[in-house]
Amino acid sequence: DGGITQSPKYLFRKEGQNVTLSCEQNLNHDAMYWYRQDPGQGLRLIYYSQIVNDFQKGDIAEGYSVSREKKESFPLTVTSAQKNPTAFYLCASSIRGGDNQPQHFGDGTRLSIL
Amino acid sequence: GDSVTQMEGPVTLSEEAFLTINCTYTATGYPSLFWYVQYPGEGLQLLLKATKADDKGSNKGFEATYRKETTSFHLEKGSVQVSDSAVYFCALKAAGNKLTFGGGTRVLVKP
Repeated sequence: DGGITQSPKYLFRKEGQNVTLSCEQNLNHDAMYWYRQDPGQGLRLIYYSQIVNDFQKGDIAEGYSVSREKKESFPLTVTSAQKNPTAFYLCASSIRGGDNQPQHFGDGTRLSIL
Repeated sequence: GDSVTQMEGPVTLSEEAFLTINCTYTATGYPSLFWYVQYPGEGLQLLLKATKADDKGSNKGFEATYRKETTSFHLEKGSVQVSDSAVYFCALKAAGNKLTFGGGTRVLVKP
């Protein structure tokens, strides 16, 4: 079955450490996205990529970095510059172009600071 | 900029009650509108969508109608079940492929 796989489901980070969250999709979607969700709140866009080797900052990109070397993969690195990284991180993908195309989501990674 | 406003929760209902979650939006142009559902500890699942004015999206007993004149996309279900307990997000997509989400509404259905 096609879908989006995020790993790990739970991740712990020590102060000053960088961590990388994995997102893989086999839906053959061109566009991929990373969102952050804080308790009781909606989703905020961190980064998105419309095509391989290209990505753009979202609304809260500071302290995060991404790469898009392959169509199916869009890893997110939470750097030590992100002062409040504890959150639920969601990856999504969609067909590129067309305002009526929905985004499909993975099951998320919950990041906590030790 | 684009924005989505949802009624704040939690909404607590008894089984078989009628559910309405209000959603209004502000956007330039003619956005597509979506409802997503999030069960505890999981990602978001697309519940339904509507892409133009007066379209009605429906799925699993849920319905929402795209009302351009009132810039609304209210979610309704006639008879809720305990399994409908979740957080519901209204979202819009305008030009550029980016989704704008509302803050989410938590629904709790009691037996």
